[in-house]
Amino acid sequence: EAEVAQSPRYKITEKSQAVAFWCDPISGHATLYWYRQILGQGPELLVQFQDESVVDDSQLPKDRFSAERLKGVDSTLKIQPAELGDSAMYLCASSPRDSSYEQYFGPGTRLTVT
Amino acid sequence: RKEVEQDPGPFNVPEGATVAFNCTYSNSASQSFFWYRQDCRKEPKLLMSVYSSGNEDGRFTAQLNRASQYISLLIRDSKLSDSATYLCVVTSFQKLVFGTGTRLLVSP
Repeated sequence: EAEVAQSPRYKITEKSQAVAFWCDPISGHATLYWYRQILGQGPELLVQFQDESVVDDSQLPKDRFSAERLKGVDSTLKIQPAELGDSAMYLCASSPRDSSYEQYFGPGTRLTVT
Repeated sequence: RKEVEQDPGPFNVPEGATVAFNCTYSNSASQSFFWYRQDCRKEPKLLMSVYSSGNEDGRFTAQLNRASQYISLLIRDSKLSDSATYLCVVTSFQKLVFGTGTRLLVSP
């Protein structure tokens, strides 16, 4: 069964450092999403890509967060500089082009900022 | 007010019990509704879609009341393996909006 891959699975970093997460969606899925899930809350959408283009980044804190999907396949989410409040699970999901509500999630990257 | 509201629980039930979760949403234009399941420290996984006429999948029954903007999930004959957090999800402006989840603990 095809899966969304994410790495690293866990990351501990000090505040003010830079951190990057990688996601490889299910092959053929045109849409890719990055979510942030704080403990005890539901996932919140940070950014959505359709192929290589950003469709929605309205909730992405653009002063410190950036995301790219240069070739429309895998994607990187970066935080620079990291802050204590960024500690969370960062989830990547993908969906087929014609079924954006059929989202499949990767295992996530658990970030701890110290 | 949150766009999707759920009782965080936890709901503690014995094996074999029937348990129901509720969820309310604020955007009357929402068109699609789902229940996701999330195990501790794992990713969310789609449990079932929720249709206007109500739908059933084995021990799970989901219902939608558009007039009251209310969604429910009923689990019959609870199993230990049903212990998880159940996330209510609605679409809003072509995005999925997740509730905070309701935690279920099924005990022997």
